[in-house]
Amino acid sequence: NAGVMQNPRHLVRRRGQEARLRCSPMKGHSHVYWYRQLPEEGLKFMVYLQKENIIDESGMPKERFSAEFPKEGPSILRIQQVVRGDSAAYFCASSPGIWDRKGYQPQHFGDGTRLSIL
Amino acid sequence: AQTVTQSQPEMSVQEAETVTLSCTYDTSESDYYLFWYKQPPSRQMILVIRQEAYKQQNATENRFSVNFQKAAKSFSLKISDSQLGDAAMYFCAYRDGTSYGKLTFGQGTILTVHP
Repeated sequence: NAGVMQNPRHLVRRRGQEARLRCSPMKGHSHVYWYRQLPEEGLKFMVYLQKENIIDESGMPKERFSAEFPKEGPSILRIQQVVRGDSAAYFCASSPGIWDRKGYQPQHFGDGTRLSIL
Repeated sequence: AQTVTQSQPEMSVQEAETVTLSCTYDTSESDYYLFWYKQPPSRQMILVIRQEAYKQQNATENRFSVNFQKAAKSFSLKISDSQLGDAAMYFCAYRDGTSYGKLTFGQGTILTVHP
């Protein structure tokens, strides 16, 4: 069973361009989380999605950032008109649900996309 | 809002020795989960160990164990018989027991292992 796949691994953009980060969850997983890791910091929650629905986007900047998880295909984190401060590692995690008989279902992380803004 | 604090930006240990990484958290919830994640230079996020708040017994996974002090809101990680492969950034993380799974991470502790 393949793990969470994120691509690209590295993405370089110039200021003002758009960045699209992709996340394919593990097979059978319908819950996706995006986190951002700024240099020398821990991961910060951005958004939680289920298929075709944004459940919680409380960690997402109000402007320029959007996320989707369509019925078919990967989840996409989109950053418009990127600025230097967007440079970070962006991690996706997935889970099959929230709870199971043992209590909770842990999140499985991808290897992240490192976004560099020139 | 929940917060997680790791007060040790860096720690070092000699190979085969024991090291303890500290973590404190703040929450008003009684039901929650705590985790330690390892992030090597490859940037993978690897789950090391987890603890359910309702369990009094401290979790153990091979050389890794935790000291969970619920009243003090403390959750430290002990690594015994340290190995060179243990060198990484370690993150403490919190999850509310009633929520959908959003994790709150600490700032991380860089662990160096000396041969």
